[in-house]
Amino acid sequence: DSGVTQTPKHLITATGQRVTLRCSPRSGDLSVYWYQQSLDQGLQFLIQYYNGEERAKGNILERFSAQQFPDLHSELNLSSLELGDSALYFCASSSSGVADTQYFGPGTRLTVL
Amino acid sequence: DQQVKQNSPSLSVQEGRISILNCDYTNSMFDYFLWYKKYPAEGPTFLISISSIKDKNEDGRFTVFLNKSAKHLSLHIVPSQPGDSAVYFCAASEAGGYQKVTFGIGTKLQVIP
Repeated sequence: DSGVTQTPKHLITATGQRVTLRCSPRSGDLSVYWYQQSLDQGLQFLIQYYNGEERAKGNILERFSAQQFPDLHSELNLSSLELGDSALYFCASSSSGVADTQYFGPGTRLTVL
Repeated sequence: DQQVKQNSPSLSVQEGRISILNCDYTNSMFDYFLWYKKYPAEGPTFLISISSIKDKNEDGRFTVFLNKSAKHLSLHIVPSQPGDSAVYFCAASEAGGYQKVTFGIGTKLQVIP
């Protein structure tokens, strides 16, 4: 158990809809990262927050947005969903914002029908 | 543009023998490298890392070698155990603080009893 929790575990929705994925980092970790893993793809970095502020941005679509709240949990919002958005979404946390060890949650599997 | 490449999608090794997983990178600004292990239905777990100022780092049965001139790193597992069967991700980050981590697509290792 990494100490990072993600909800929900599974999410099935329809095209055009909007969903919110939630992540609670390990106790004491200030940084939260979001990744997308599509079929046969590696982990694609989406975005990083450190202590409530956006720190780094990867290949995140404009239809996607994220935020980190004062209690350090984070939410990833995916809107106008397309079939190609079906993937595993991982959240990770680390104690600092530098590339030290990231602890990953179990992921949320999103299926868009 | 795959900046971190794991060209072998899968690898089978007999129990007790050495497993060698390879990773190549193209970004000369990468200066910190990590290996993560992932079991099905779980998030990736940090395994071992190496800074660009070193060429070898060892942790128990796991050793990572870095060849900066060839932009190549490898993970050696000796001796391999059936519990090592998992997907292994190579990852890298650039120098200078808050930088994203770039992951490869992973290599699936199967250790045969």
